[in-house]
Amino acid sequence: TQLLEQSPQFLSIQEGENLTVYCNSSSVFSSLQWYRQEPGEGPVLLVTVVTGGEVKKLKRLTFQFGDARKDSSLHITAAQPGDTGLYLCAGAKNYGGSQGNLIFGKGTKLSVKP
Amino acid sequence: NAGVTQTPKFRVLKTGQSMTLLCAQDMNHEYMYWYRQDPGMGLRLIHYSVGEGTTAKGEVPDGYNVSRLKKQNFLLGLESAAPSQTSVYFCASSYGTITDTQYFGPGTRLTVL
Repeated sequence: TQLLEQSPQFLSIQEGENLTVYCNSSSVFSSLQWYRQEPGEGPVLLVTVVTGGEVKKLKRLTFQFGDARKDSSLHITAAQPGDTGLYLCAGAKNYGGSQGNLIFGKGTKLSVKP
Repeated sequence: NAGVTQTPKFRVLKTGQSMTLLCAQDMNHEYMYWYRQDPGMGLRLIHYSVGEGTTAKGEVPDGYNVSRLKKQNFLLGLESAAPSQTSVYFCASSYGTITDTQYFGPGTRLTVL
C-alpha cells in the first residue's frame, strides 16, 4: 500500500507565526499536489510540483518537492486566520497514457488564532 | 460556471435504505471521481470514471455502485446503507488524466442510523 504521511496532524498557532507541514512517503511520485480544504467545503488545489527540488511560492506559502520526489513541505510565513483549514497533499503516480493514481495524505489541520 | 455540484447536501438514512448521490460538472471534464472522507482517514477513492459509459473501482468500492450515462453526470448509489457508510462524500472531476488537477464539489454529509 502506498502511503503519504503528513505531519503534524494538528497545528494551532498565533497569528504572525511561521509554520511548516510535511508530506513524506517511501514511494516516488511523478508530481505532488497540495490542496486546502475549509470547513464544509471541498478541497481546492493550491499548487502542483513536478520536478525534484522544485520550489514554488504562492504569496506567503512556499512549497518544496524533495530531490528524490518522495516528500514535500509547505511553509507558511506570518500565518493569518484566513490560513486556517485542512491541508492535504496528494502524490501522483503515472503508469503511462491516461492511467495513473492519486494518493491523498490524511491532512494537517491548521488553526491560526488572532 | 457552477463547476462541480452535488445533491443532496445532507441526508439521513436508516440501515438498509437505498439512495443515490448526484454529481454534475459543467467543465466538460472526462474524468470523474467519488471519494469519502472520514476523520483520521483522509480522502479515499470509491469509484471513478474515465469517460462517459465507463466506471472503475477505487480503493473502497464495496457497498457502492456508480453510473456515468452522461459525460457531465456521475451517480453514486448505496443499495443497502450501513452505519459504516456514514461519511462525507465528495465528487471531483479532472480534464485529462487521473493525476490532473481535481476540482471538488462541496460534499454530501450522509448519516446512516
